[in-house]
Formats: sequence, C-alpha cells, structure tokens
Amino acid sequence: KQEVTQIPAALSVPEGENLVLNCSFTDSAIYNLQWFRQDPGKGLTSLLLIQSSQREQTSGRLNASLDKSSGRSTLYIAASQPGDSATYLCAVDLQGAGSYQLTFGKGTKLSVIP
Amino acid sequence: NAGVTQTPKFQVLKTGQSMTLQCAQDMNHEYMSWYRQDPGMGLRLIHYSVGAGITDQGEVPNGYNVSRSTTEDFPLRLLSAAPSQTSVYFCASSPQGVAKNIQYFGAGTRLSVL
Repeated sequence: KQEVTQIPAALSVPEGENLVLNCSFTDSAIYNLQWFRQDPGKGLTSLLLIQSSQREQTSGRLNASLDKSSGRSTLYIAASQPGDSATYLCAVDLQGAGSYQLTFGKGTKLSVIP
Repeated sequence: NAGVTQTPKFQVLKTGQSMTLQCAQDMNHEYMSWYRQDPGMGLRLIHYSVGAGITDQGEVPNGYNVSRSTTEDFPLRLLSAAPSQTSVYFCASSPQGVAKNIQYFGAGTRLSVL
C-alpha cells in the first residue's frame, strides 16, 4: 500500500526566508505527484502537478521537484510571505492511468512570521 | 466561476439519521470523487466516478453510497450516520482524471454526528 509522509508536520519561518517542504512515498511506481495548499476551513487548491516523466515544475515563487527512484519530492518556496501561511499537502496517484485514486500525506503546516 | 460547489457547509446529525451531501460542478468534468479529512489521518478517498453512470469504491467506502446520474452532480449519501463519520468531507473533480489533469476541490462540508 502506498504511504505518503510529509516532514516536518509544522514549520515556522520569518518572512523573506526561502524554505523547503518534504514529501516521501513508499512505492516509486507513481503516475504523478501534486502539491496542494489548504487554508484553514477551506478546500484544497492545487499548486503544482509533476508527471512521473518530469523532474520539476515551477510556478512563480514555487518550485517542486520529483525523484521517483528515491521516492521523494520537495516544494521550494522562495522569499516567503505571510500570505504563504497554510497547510501544504502532497499527493500521489495510487496506480497508473485510469485508477484516479490519490494518496495524500498529512501535510505540513507553514507559518510565516512578519 | 462556481467550480465545485458543496452543500451544506455544516451539518449536525444524530446517530442513525441519514442525509445526502451534495456536490455539483459546472466545468463539465468527467471525473468526480469524495474524500474525508480527519485530524492526523490526511484525506482518504471514499468513492469516485469516472463518468455518468459509473462509480467505484475508494479506500473507505463503508457506510456511504453514491450515484452519478448526470455529469454535473455526485451526491454522497450517509445511510445511517455514526459518530465515526464525524469529519470534513471534500468533493473534487477533474476533466480526465489525475493522470494528466489537476483536481479541483470544493470548500468542504463539516459534519458532526452526535
């Protein structure tokens, strides 16, 4: 069974710092990996999707990398801002195309201190 | 843009009551799914549908029923509510499944079963 682990569970940084969130998964036979953001009391917003054939994806100050062989992904946030405070979740597909099942990590709660 | 709409936002039930959580999307997405989110457990897939008339079970389907009579709607029915079903429920949709496309989430329904 695929398991997804996110470390750390919580992170507090001063505004302006660059930071890295980690995600690891036990089965490297994934089809893609997604990073989501969840604000308190809200739903999830997809930030980046990395196909298994890709190594990284970038969107603004966010950069996500994927190393399938080691079962790891990182989300890099540059020049953090208080508005980045949220819980960040990573998710991988459980099987290949057609199965449509995501396995989520428990998330990293990020606090950016002004 | 409405996106994925979930109703109600909050609900309190007594043990043994039944109810339906509504989910509607206006993006003509083929794939829809239901997750529950519990503290310390992450999001877990309950049921999913790859198109009208087609549904399948996810990781935690017991105690829940779904149907997909239209592309737009994917209701989740609790047959006989139990305290263990106290959770936050999220509905999501995507155009072709997670293999190539990003999932869009609703804002969630917070359910308490007393």
